[in-house]
Amino acid sequence: KQEVTQIPAALSVPEGENLVLNCSFTDSAIYNLQWFRQDPGKGLTSLLLIQSSQREQTSGRLNASLDKSSGRSTLYIAASQPGDSATYLCASRPGDYKLSFGAGTTVTVRA
Amino acid sequence: GAGVSQSPRYKVAKRGQDVALRCDPISGHVSLFWYQQALGQGPEFLTYFQNEAQLDKSGLPSDRFFAERPEGSVSTLKIQRTQQEDSAVYLCASSVGSGAPYEQYFGPGTRLTVT
Repeated sequence: KQEVTQIPAALSVPEGENLVLNCSFTDSAIYNLQWFRQDPGKGLTSLLLIQSSQREQTSGRLNASLDKSSGRSTLYIAASQPGDSATYLCASRPGDYKLSFGAGTTVTVRA
Repeated sequence: GAGVSQSPRYKVAKRGQDVALRCDPISGHVSLFWYQQALGQGPEFLTYFQNEAQLDKSGLPSDRFFAERPEGSVSTLKIQRTQQEDSAVYLCASSVGSGAPYEQYFGPGTRLTVT
C-alpha cells in the first residue's frame, strides 16, 4: 500500500517568506502527483498536478517538483501572503484511479 | 460551470441512526469517487464508480457502508447504524474519464458528527 508522508505537519512563517513543503511516497511507480489546498470546513482545491514524466509544474507563485526515483515532491510558495494560510495536501496516484493522500501541512502566514 | 456539490453539508446523527449523503458530480463526468477524511488526516479512498458500475469498494470500512449510483450521475453514500468512529468529513470527487490521466474534482464535503 502506498504511504504518503508530509513534513512538517505545521509551519508558521512571517509574510513575505518563501514556503517549502515536503511530500514523500513509498511506491515510486506513480501515474502522477497532485498538490491540493484545503481551507477550514471546505473541500479540496487542486493547485498543481505533475505527471510522472514531468519534473516540475509552475503556476504563479507556486512551483512543485517531482523526483520519482527518490519518492519525493516539494511544493514551493514564493513570497507568502496571509491568504496562503491553509492546509496543503499532496496525493500520489499509484494505481489507475485511487489517490493516496498525506496528512497535510498546516501553514500559517503571519501578517 | 457548476462543480461537484454535496448535501447536506453538515449532519449530526445519534449513534445507531442511519444516514444518507448525496453527491452531484459535474455533469457528464464518468467517474465518481468517495473519500473519508478523519480529523487531522488526509482523505482515505472508500469506493469508485464508473458510470453506474461500482468497480471498487475495497475502502468501505464495514458492511454498514453502502454506496450507489443507479443512473450513472448522482451518488448516495449510506451508513447504517452509525458509530462514533464514523464521524468524519465525507468527500466526493468526479472526473471526466476513467483512469490515471483524468483529474479528480472535489466537492465541499459533508461533515458527519455521530453523538
